[in-house]
Amino acid sequence: QKEVEQDPGPLSVPEGAIVSLNCTYSNSAFQYFMWYRQYSRKGPELLMYTYSSGNKEDGRFTAQVDKSSKYISLFIRDSQPSDSATYLCAMSLFYNQGGKLIFGQGTELSVKP
Amino acid sequence: DVKVTQSSRYLVKRTGEKVFLECVQDMDHENMFWYRQDPGLGLRLIYFSYDVKMKEKGDIPEGYSVSREKKERFSLILESASTNQTSMYLCASRSSTGNEQFFGPGTRLTVL
Repeated sequence: QKEVEQDPGPLSVPEGAIVSLNCTYSNSAFQYFMWYRQYSRKGPELLMYTYSSGNKEDGRFTAQVDKSSKYISLFIRDSQPSDSATYLCAMSLFYNQGGKLIFGQGTELSVKP
Repeated sequence: DVKVTQSSRYLVKRTGEKVFLECVQDMDHENMFWYRQDPGLGLRLIYFSYDVKMKEKGDIPEGYSVSREKKERFSLILESASTNQTSMYLCASRSSTGNEQFFGPGTRLTVL
C-alpha cells in the first residue's frame, strides 16, 4: 500500500462546476499537508499549505484536512478552464528534516468551457 | 522572482551512457531535491541535499548519484543509463526556514 493515495483521474468537468480532489494517507504522523498544481510541461507550484487538521481558504480554493480519517481534500469553486492542470497532494512529517515530501500520484483535471 | 533552472528540457541518451542533469537555484536555499515523475506513480524522491557536499538518499536512489559542490547547484548523475530511467526529472529547492519547495521546469529524459 502506498503511503499516499490519490485518484489519478482524469477528471473532466464543465466550467463553473465545483471540483473535489482527494487524497488518503496511511501514516498518522504526517503533520504538514500541501496541494501543488502542475500545468502541462511545467514544474509543480505550491497552491495551498495546511498544518494539522482544519480548513484553509484562498479565493476559489479550499483545503481541508481530516486527520482522524487520514483524508485531505481540495475544493475548487466556480472552476475555470485555466484550472486545467494536474493537482498533486503532498505531505511531510516534520518541518525540518530537509522538508522531505511524500506525493500522491496526481489527479489530472480538465475544465471544459 | 524565485527561480530554479534545469540544464535541458529534453534529452535523449543511449543505454550505458553517463548522463548529467544540472539544477541551479538563485534563492540561496539550503535544501535541494531530485525527483522523478512517472505516470501513475507521482513524484518519487531520488536524492536530496541539505547543505553543500551533503547528500541523503531518497526513496529510489539505485542507479543514481548526486553532487553538490556549490550551494546553488545540485547535479544528478546516471552512471550508466538504462531504459527504465526514461522519465521526467524534477529538481526543487527549499530554504531551511520556509515551507515551500520550488520546482524547476523538468527534464524529460529518454534512454534508448
